[in-house]
Amino acid sequence: DAGITQSPRHKVTETGTPVTLRCHQTENHRYMYWYRQDPGHGLRLIHYSYGVKDTDKGEVSDGYSVSRSKTEDFLLTLESATSSQTSVYFCAISGRQGAAEAFFGQGTRLTVV
Amino acid sequence: DAKTTQPPSMDCAEGRAANLPCNHSTISGNEYVYWYRQIHSQGPQYIIHGLKNNETNEMASLIITEDRKSSTLILPHATLRDTAVYYCIVRAITGTASKLTFGTGTRLQVTL
Repeated sequence: DAGITQSPRHKVTETGTPVTLRCHQTENHRYMYWYRQDPGHGLRLIHYSYGVKDTDKGEVSDGYSVSRSKTEDFLLTLESATSSQTSVYFCAISGRQGAAEAFFGQGTRLTVV
Repeated sequence: DAKTTQPPSMDCAEGRAANLPCNHSTISGNEYVYWYRQIHSQGPQYIIHGLKNNETNEMASLIITEDRKSSTLILPHATLRDTAVYYCIVRAITGTASKLTFGTGTRLQVTL
């Protein structure tokens, strides 16, 4: 497996609390992505990063923020978790622009109660 | 990125070739075709990609039509472990960042 680690792997949190998910890579890849996956929706892009401090929104970014202060870490924050954010979250990395394939982490299962 | 259309599900007998189609009629000249699969609840796994020529690797073959409006992923000898959701994606090779946008894919069931 490519060197991607997501933490935590499982989390249960209460509505209204802040939550931060971490994606850590050891591949020195430039691009990093956060997706969420829900039944019937496939994977939907939340935010992505094309370098340190360079991030942009995906198709479902409302309620989420991200930060990338180092090449190896991409953090996804739910400022005030809601039940609709209960999902499985996947991080992905990609080495360069163009044709490089992406590698995915094993996912974080988040439950907001 | 161009949208793709895939059948929601397919069945294949073990040992036979699995041919998974994808329509991407609005593909642009600078967009590649990628295939990924997701086994159960694991993270998606890269399979293969191509621009306009047919491609083959140890996992699969990718056949792209001459007009590039559709493609077929071929698993030459499907096994039970190939049961998964297969995603066809088209992705631009230019721009600040290469977004990777997934559809709902094809659920392939390989049976004995």
